[in-house]
Amino acid sequence: GAGVSQSPSNKVTEKGKDVELRCDPISGHTALYWYRQSLGQGLEFLIYFQGNSAPDKSGLPSDRFSAERTGGSVSTLTIQRTQQEDSAVYLCASRLNTGVEQYFGPGTRLTVT
Amino acid sequence: GENVEQHPSTLSVQEGDSAVIKCTYSDSASNYFPWYKQELGKRPQLIIDIRSNVGEKKDQRIAVTLNKTAKHFSLHITETQPEDSAVYFCAASSNNNDMRFGAGTRLTVKP
Repeated sequence: GAGVSQSPSNKVTEKGKDVELRCDPISGHTALYWYRQSLGQGLEFLIYFQGNSAPDKSGLPSDRFSAERTGGSVSTLTIQRTQQEDSAVYLCASRLNTGVEQYFGPGTRLTVT
Repeated sequence: GENVEQHPSTLSVQEGDSAVIKCTYSDSASNYFPWYKQELGKRPQLIIDIRSNVGEKKDQRIAVTLNKTAKHFSLHITETQPEDSAVYFCAASSNNNDMRFGAGTRLTVKP
């Protein structure tokens, strides 16, 4: 079946602009995660959605970052007033409610010029 | 919150040798510890995991050990092959909720 998909695959934006990154999880997966991976670095947890529960936003680095998950499926990560340090690959992952394995999407490479 | 530290950041071994990557965690409530492998330009994929009710798990050339008292866990790869070259991430979570990853280990297996 289809895996996790993300769009766009690449995004170049000017400093100060807002960007929206999209994640389509695997159908039926109730848990969804966003991570940030800077060049050569680890996976930085950003936010976690589980079903209809309030999301765990504890990893969001600033109030310029926000995320929504509509209808328990598609999620959008929004970065307002982008800064150069926001340049990174943003990865989304999903898993079954009863599962343990997170399935990652291909990521969106964001470059802020 | 949970904090996961991973060492070493880079590791180079000869083909056929063993490789060991170590992680420590801070939250005693963490009970699930997966390891992900990320090949160059690809997405991370789960290779093995362990829960806190066991001390060791093995899958062919890969094994993971867990010491709950000391709050550390390790990945062991035996008989390494060039295709094992990748970045490996450890992670920890409590009841499979939010997941915290280590900074990663870049493993290079030299033929």
